[in-house]
Amino acid sequence: AQSVSQHNHHVILSEAASLELGCNYSYGGTVNLFWYVQYPGQHLQLLLKYFSGDPLVKGIKGFEAEFIKSKFSFNLRKPSVQWSDTAEYFCAVKRSSSGDKLTFGTGTRLAVRP
Amino acid sequence: NAGVTQTPKFQVLKTGQSMTLQCAQDMNHEYMSWYRQDPGMGLRLIHYSVGAGITDQGEVPNGYNVSRSTTEDFPLRLLSAAPSQTSVYFCASSPAGNSPLHFGNGTRLTVT
Repeated sequence: AQSVSQHNHHVILSEAASLELGCNYSYGGTVNLFWYVQYPGQHLQLLLKYFSGDPLVKGIKGFEAEFIKSKFSFNLRKPSVQWSDTAEYFCAVKRSSSGDKLTFGTGTRLAVRP
Repeated sequence: NAGVTQTPKFQVLKTGQSMTLQCAQDMNHEYMSWYRQDPGMGLRLIHYSVGAGITDQGEVPNGYNVSRSTTEDFPLRLLSAAPSQTSVYFCASSPAGNSPLHFGNGTRLTVT
């Protein structure tokens, strides 16, 4: 079973629409959570991360994510998307018991129509 | 800062050929790793290293070897390439502990 699940594989939105991408993980214990973005033809870049503290984290380019421990979720949100947000988005989880290994979800491909 | 440098960017191999994908980082990061990215499967960890002289297997290690003789370099070797190894390969590094990964630009490998 996939340990990190991203249920939306493809999302198409118009500019100015709101975005929410789901991410769920199946590990217990302490986790560190990440969202990465991969623009077409480029490598992965960090959008935001959660280690501890305030469960609502803000990242670059207006993105934010909320860690809900009871739901094992770390959904990514943006109130108003732009055409330049067209990319693939990956959720990733690092378990405290697995050292520095990062497990990625399968990714969500976002297309924003101008 | 160069960050994480991968070479080559593109490579085409015939089945059975061997080759080495190079990865170097200039940030003195202890942790380095190799992922392969395939459509619909996200990134899967092949091998990783927590420091010079220490390597371990990830999710999909078969068909690949690694070594970490220095902190800077972490090459990935394909001993006998197979079409199933056609993929985009990413090297990544980070300081130990709670730190995000820094990725290289990737190597697109095609095995015919």
